[in-house]
Amino acid sequence: QQQVRQSPQSLTVWEGETAILNCSYEDSTFDYFPWYHQFPGESPALLIAIRPVSNKKEDGRFTIFFNKREKKFSLHIADSQPGDSATYFCAASNQGGSAKLIFGEGTKLTVSS
Amino acid sequence: EAAVTQSPRNKVTVTGGNVTLSCRQTNSHNYMYWYRQDTGHGLRLIHYSYGAGNLQIGDVPDGYKATRTTQEDFFLLLELASPSQTSLYFCASGGDTSNTGQLYFGEGSKLTVL
Repeated sequence: QQQVRQSPQSLTVWEGETAILNCSYEDSTFDYFPWYHQFPGESPALLIAIRPVSNKKEDGRFTIFFNKREKKFSLHIADSQPGDSATYFCAASNQGGSAKLIFGEGTKLTVSS
Repeated sequence: EAAVTQSPRNKVTVTGGNVTLSCRQTNSHNYMYWYRQDTGHGLRLIHYSYGAGNLQIGDVPDGYKATRTTQEDFFLLLELASPSQTSLYFCASGGDTSNTGQLYFGEGSKLTVL
């Protein structure tokens, strides 16, 4: 069973637009929600993360919006650039428990110029 | 800079073959993980460990064994490899609250089972 679900599977936006990637989860004990990105031929790397004490986390052009009631969180990439083209994975874990990090299926983002 | 090194980077074997994937981390992290990456499935957790001698079952453990011999070294064993285990395997370290929960991934090991 997929505990973390991600959509869309692929997304194409124009340079300068805001890309929105979505995730949902099932386990209410999850307390850590990171986003990783992976460029072709490379390993996944942490982009940004949030803990549910807040409902928004910003880092430059990247923002996580978190909705605990609906068990959803999203990544917004403002002013998208061709260099942002990559596969993005959301994930979730219970840091106070097993620290097992569960990933979503991934969203392949293409930014066209 | 966190460092996780995997070997071999590429491996081809036949059905029924015996494969060992190795991972070494020099980050002094307690947690180490083995994931497989397949298109449409993202990264799926096979096994993980929070210290030498410890092993925790992940979400897709069937057909895989793992052993954590030291804090630095974590091995993934496929004793009777099958074509369904053809995949890109990633090792990672980190994940506990002492280092903000971030995982540091190795370069990946591409396994092909014919």
